Amino acid sequence: DTAVSQTPKYLVTQMGNDKSIKCEQNLGHDTMYWYKQDSKKFLKIMFSYNNKELIINETVPNRFSPKSPDKAHLNLHINSLELGDSAVYFCASSQRIGSSYNEQFFGPGTRLTVL
Amino acid sequence: RKEVEQDPGPFNVPEGATVAFNCTYSNSASQSFFWYRQDCRKEPKLLMSVYSSGNEDGRFTAQLNRASQYISLLIRDSKLSDSATYLCVVNIPIFLTGNQFYFGTGTSLTVIP
Repeated sequence: DTAVSQTPKYLVTQMGNDKSIKCEQNLGHDTMYWYKQDSKKFLKIMFSYNNKELIINETVPNRFSPKSPDKAHLNLHINSLELGDSAVYFCASSQRIGSSYNEQFFGPGTRLTVL
Repeated sequence: RKEVEQDPGPFNVPEGATVAFNCTYSNSASQSFFWYRQDCRKEPKLLMSVYSSGNEDGRFTAQLNRASQYISLLIRDSKLSDSATYLCVVNIPIFLTGNQFYFGTGTSLTVIP
């Protein structure tokens, strides 16, 4: 009964390849997020989706594209992978505004290594 | 200027010690505040929310000072299992569109036997 799940857990690939990471949440939350955590451990927001609409699109390369087939899923597709994309990618979800304390629940992370 | 600032540490303390972490935030529209814990190679997990009146959960006490825009976390009687990175998180709600969360860089704690 995992709340937020991601696949794959590990992803090793060559530069220039295209890859996808999948995320699913069974919490009934309205908002889902993608974060990147690099080697310096700083957690940086990449995207968030609220009811299938993109809310935040931080200054990430357009090689990264979030795709949300429904409210429970937010996948991350990456084109033309580069060495600098190597990081841990976390998916998260939270309830929509309406409650004062909308904590986020994180998936286990996907460790991406680009060779 | 970063939305959330934390002392990265590391903090190395002996078992049984009391340790305090502070965090400052820059946006006065911030509405809710959290401390998350992240173990090595794991995902962040909510440790506790931070309420205006301050709140306590066992050995952990969180305080919020809105006037000075800082948040604190106090850990009493440190255990080896408290070793982790502690992330300060601030939420700024955006009307009709959702929540915007800002994370500090984290404070590393190692409790030494």
